[in-house]
Amino acid sequence: GAGVSQSPSNKVTEKGKDVELRCDPISGHTALYWYRQRLGQGLEFLIYFQGNSAPDKSGLPSDRFSAERTGESVSTLTIQRTQQEDSAVYLCASSLRLAEGYEQFFGPGTRLTVL
Amino acid sequence: GQQLNQSPQSMFIQEGEDVSMNCTSSSIFNTWLWYKQDPGEGPVLLIALYKAGELTSNGRLTAQFGITRKDSFLNISASIPSDVGIYFCAGYGAGSYQLTFGKGTKLSVIP
Repeated sequence: GAGVSQSPSNKVTEKGKDVELRCDPISGHTALYWYRQRLGQGLEFLIYFQGNSAPDKSGLPSDRFSAERTGESVSTLTIQRTQQEDSAVYLCASSLRLAEGYEQFFGPGTRLTVL
Repeated sequence: GQQLNQSPQSMFIQEGEDVSMNCTSSSIFNTWLWYKQDPGEGPVLLIALYKAGELTSNGRLTAQFGITRKDSFLNISASIPSDVGIYFCAGYGAGSYQLTFGKGTKLSVIP
């Protein structure tokens, strides 16, 4: 498809387990972003990638969170030793390039539930 | 960090009525984006604004970039049931690659 895709759409895990979330950006989009959205809240920036440049990790809430991206393709967000407070929808977005003003297009999100 | 104050938090309106919501910031934003999010979906871009004073329409939606560059509003005319959802404003601050989001306006339309 032409849009941003994410998998899985839903993930239920037990506290303490690791989870890995995947994002496939729009083809040709060099910038990729991860956000967290808690129930009834706005979007909280986590991390962005631009090509092969060092990612901006300033939004990651703790060292249990990490993300990788190979070139300009798929990205994975990993949460280690999950906590109940990590329960949220994790949204991925991509844009043509990393620059002020570029429109970001979002995937459908992964709903994470930590029991 | 930069913050956007979006209001109102929620609205209940009658089908056919016009709707207005806005976002304000204490700092300058160079781009404003308005998104709509349906339950279980990611936000969908509605309108993008790039210049102070710019007024842009997309069907029944109209948005404006405030001349002070610290605010933006979104109007929806003649609301219909499918307008139901959460509307987010978002903006890029000067020199920032991070998109800052408002907390959303939840719109309910009564048929």
